[in-house]
Amino acid sequence: GQQVMQIPQYQHVQEGEDFTTYCNSSTTLSNIQWYKQRPGGHPVFLIQLVKSGEVKKQKRLTFQFGEAKKNSSLHITATQTTDVGTYFCAGPPAGAQKLVFGQGTRLTINP
Amino acid sequence: GAGVSQTPSNKVTEKGKYVELRCDPISGHTALYWYRQSLGQGPEFLIYFQGTGAADDSGLPNDRFFAVRPEGSVSTLKIQRTERGDSAVYLCASSLKRWSGQGGTGANVLTFGAGSRLTVL
Repeated sequence: GQQVMQIPQYQHVQEGEDFTTYCNSSTTLSNIQWYKQRPGGHPVFLIQLVKSGEVKKQKRLTFQFGEAKKNSSLHITATQTTDVGTYFCAGPPAGAQKLVFGQGTRLTINP
Repeated sequence: GAGVSQTPSNKVTEKGKYVELRCDPISGHTALYWYRQSLGQGPEFLIYFQGTGAADDSGLPNDRFFAVRPEGSVSTLKIQRTERGDSAVYLCASSLKRWSGQGGTGANVLTFGAGSRLTVL
């Protein structure tokens, strides 16, 4: 079945440094979604990318969808302590009515 | 309701017991999902309902797990003869839109509940 892999598994940065997490799917995706889970919380939707090569920005967060629609990335510029949490990418297998999640990248920040 | 509500928030049970976990989705959301999340892992798909019917139950690990949604709103996840390996956070999510179809755009965006933490001793 479809597999969604994320790297790195963990990332620790100093506040103000940039952060990037990468997502790779074993199959082509019709779209990809990103979620954030704060410590002790539940996943919260951030964004959805649909088009090949699409780039979307949310303030300091930049999301990209690869040309082949098999990979994606999330980049945070100048991290803040509020960015702490685990970031998940998720995509639907072809013809399936569900989202398959990656294992997440856990971001911790030294203030 | 304003969000997805799950009860209980915490459940401790003994090996072999029966457990029910309840999910009350956002009013008007026709799609409902159950996921399971173990520590340090991403959510693992269990089952998806569109209305009252289970459209995809391919993620249920075995026949000890069963879920219902009799009136197309509240759903209950039922686990029989619980095992220690069932310990996890069980997440429910709902979505407004019907799935857009194969290769389509605008896939459902999931709104998750706070989860039910199940501990099997």
